[in-house]
Amino acid sequence: SQQGEEDPQALSIQEGENATMNCSYKTSINNLQWYRQNSGRGLVHLILIRSNEREKHSGRLRVTLDTSKKSSSLLITASRAADTASYFCATDALDDKIIFGKGTRLHILP
Amino acid sequence: DTEVTQTPKHLVMGMTNKKSLKCEQHMGHRAMYWYKQKAKKPPELMFVYSYEKLSINESVPSRFSPECPNSSLLNLHLHALQPEDSALYLCASSLTPMGGERYYEQYFGPGTRLTVT
Repeated sequence: SQQGEEDPQALSIQEGENATMNCSYKTSINNLQWYRQNSGRGLVHLILIRSNEREKHSGRLRVTLDTSKKSSSLLITASRAADTASYFCATDALDDKIIFGKGTRLHILP
Repeated sequence: DTEVTQTPKHLVMGMTNKKSLKCEQHMGHRAMYWYKQKAKKPPELMFVYSYEKLSINESVPSRFSPECPNSSLLNLHLHALQPEDSALYLCASSLTPMGGERYYEQYFGPGTRLTVT
């Protein structure tokens, strides 16, 4: 069963704008990760946030985690054409398996 | 070397064929994973090897047979596949197996695009 659910499923924005994606999950977690996948290729790890952290930054990426609401958000600032990709959140279930959400397909318009 | 390599990149096979997918990493990672990904869907975990031992099998049909000959190599043997098995097969590795507070960023290979005819 899918642990993470991303919202929105698809997002198109103009280059230079900020993109925000959300992820909700159902069970308790140790940490949450965000991955990027360019079309038909492998996934690239972006950022990991632990359950005792509320916010984390990495370059143009900002991730928040609200364990009370079982949700996380990924903000990409000053978007670029190269940011066009699918973005997945991934959580570790109680049985130590990592489960990916359905993903958000982000398209940056020139 | 922070790369996971997978061969072949593309594979077309008939339902009676036997083929193998290969995955290799030289990062000293002790956990390796096979995922299956259909178009516009998230990766689905198939198998996990921890310290060269199969630790998780997500009820995958026996026509998929994993093998971990050593800590750097992971194979997926395919036999009598069905057309619905056509997908992108992704291999990944992490420094240690998942669990608790351990940090387990996964490094993914580029995948093998499998088509079963």
